Amino acid sequence: QITLKESGPTLVKPTQTLTLTCTFSGFSLSTSGVGVGWIRQPPGKALECLALIYWNDDNRYSPSLKSRLTFTKDTSKNQVVLTMTNMDPVDTATYYCAHSRQMKYFDYWGQGTLVTVSS
Amino acid sequence: QSVLTQPPSVSGAPGQRVTISCTGSSSNIGAGYDVHWYQQFPGTAPKLLIYANSNRPSGVPDRFSGSKSGTSASLAITGLQAEDEADYYCQSYDSSLSGSNVFGTGTKVTVL
Repeated sequence: QITLKESGPTLVKPTQTLTLTCTFSGFSLSTSGVGVGWIRQPPGKALECLALIYWNDDNRYSPSLKSRLTFTKDTSKNQVVLTMTNMDPVDTATYYCAHSRQMKYFDYWGQGTLVTVSS
Repeated sequence: QSVLTQPPSVSGAPGQRVTISCTGSSSNIGAGYDVHWYQQFPGTAPKLLIYANSNRPSGVPDRFSGSKSGTSASLAITGLQAEDEADYYCQSYDSSLSGSNVFGTGTKVTVL
C-alpha cells in the first residue's frame, strides 16, 4: 500500500525559506520509473506542478520557479525534501506530494499541507 | 498561467453525458505526450481518474472515459451522477523550456 504524507510549517513569513518533507511508504525511489512530485494549489485555484524527482536523480522543476526550488531525496529514510526560497504571500497554497508512475502521472497523493505566507 | 486550457465549468442533469475539453499545443498534447485526468472534491487531494489518455485505474467507474486527438483531449462522463460533482483537471508533459509536467486550468462539474 502506497502512502505519502507532507510535513512542514503551516505559517512562514515573507522572504523566508520554506522546507517541506514528504515521507512515503510502500515503494522505493530506487525503483526504475518511479518518481515523487510536489504539486501546489492556491486557495480556489488550479493545481501547479512544482518539481519532480525521479529514481535516477533526474530532477525537473517548474520553469517559472526553478531558481527558488531545491528538491532532494533520502532513499534510506523514504523521504524527499522540497525547499523554496524567498516566500511571498502569493505562495500561500496547499502543497501536495505525490507518487509518479512511469514519470508520467500521479497515482497516489498525500493529504496535502496548507502553507500560509504572512507577516 | 497553465498551458492547458479547460472550460471553467460544465453542468448536466443526472443521467446526461458531459464532456470536458483540455486544449494544449504542439509542445505538449500535440507533441504526442499522454494526457491524464484527476477528480478533486473540496478539501481533499486529487484522485487519478484516467491515465495515458484513456485508461481507467482500478475502481474508477466505466462511465468515465478519456480520449485525445491532435492538440486536445477530452474527458467524458456518461450517466452523470450527483456524486460526480467535483473539480476535474487534465495533466500532461510540456517539452518547452526545461520540460515539466503541467496541469490544466480545471473544470467544475455541476450536477443540476
